[in-house]
Amino acid sequence: QSVLTQPPSVSGAPGQRVTISCTGSSSNIGAGYDVHWYQQLPGTVPKLLIYGKNNRPSGVPDRFSGFKSDTSASLAITGLQAEDEADYYCQSFDSLSGFYVFGPGTKVTV
Amino acid sequence: QVQLQESGPGLVKPSGTLSLTCAVSGDSISSNYWWTWVRQSPGKGLEWIGEIYESGSTNYNPSLKSRVSISVDKSKNQFSLQLTSVTAADTAVYYCARGIVGATASSNWFDPWGQGTLVTVSS
Repeated sequence: QSVLTQPPSVSGAPGQRVTISCTGSSSNIGAGYDVHWYQQLPGTVPKLLIYGKNNRPSGVPDRFSGFKSDTSASLAITGLQAEDEADYYCQSFDSLSGFYVFGPGTKVTV
Repeated sequence: QVQLQESGPGLVKPSGTLSLTCAVSGDSISSNYWWTWVRQSPGKGLEWIGEIYESGSTNYNPSLKSRVSISVDKSKNQFSLQLTSVTAADTAVYYCARGIVGATASSNWFDPWGQGTLVTVSS
């Protein structure tokens, strides 16, 4: 069981805005550790989507944005497109366990 | 462009040792990164296994610490994973990735990832 929790699934119509929450605690997100986000398209490798304080690697559209507040973080996808159907994972560091942790993943359906 | 490629046996017997290598191209393994292993069990989420710095310094997931070892071979620009006493629960796709040091301690993120290799533990 992950120390980071995410909703199992989120859905939206094309063009809509959806958000994926990543809830942690005072030993990870609440302790100030950065939250990063990955996209895993069906049958493919996880790909870095957002890192640090809402930074996007080259090639990632600005439809994707990350937010962090207190003990939680969220990923927003605006202008939802069919190609956004994928699993999304948040990642941070947990000082209690002493290692990097991933959320369980959220499946986005368009 | 940095690329990582995993290699190793796709089938390991129970109680045996899983051994994988990750070849790094387009970057030096002696650069300021933490070279990382992550696994994903079939239909499941991602689990961080451990990491190694070019100096040889390592960090491991406590749940695997007694069975895992990561090493680096600078001459071949690659790093390796060994997991001993494997069981069916270790069946997973194993990814190697480059851990990029964040602005603050323990804020690393992983990019890029290798293609992943499926390791099945079965007799």
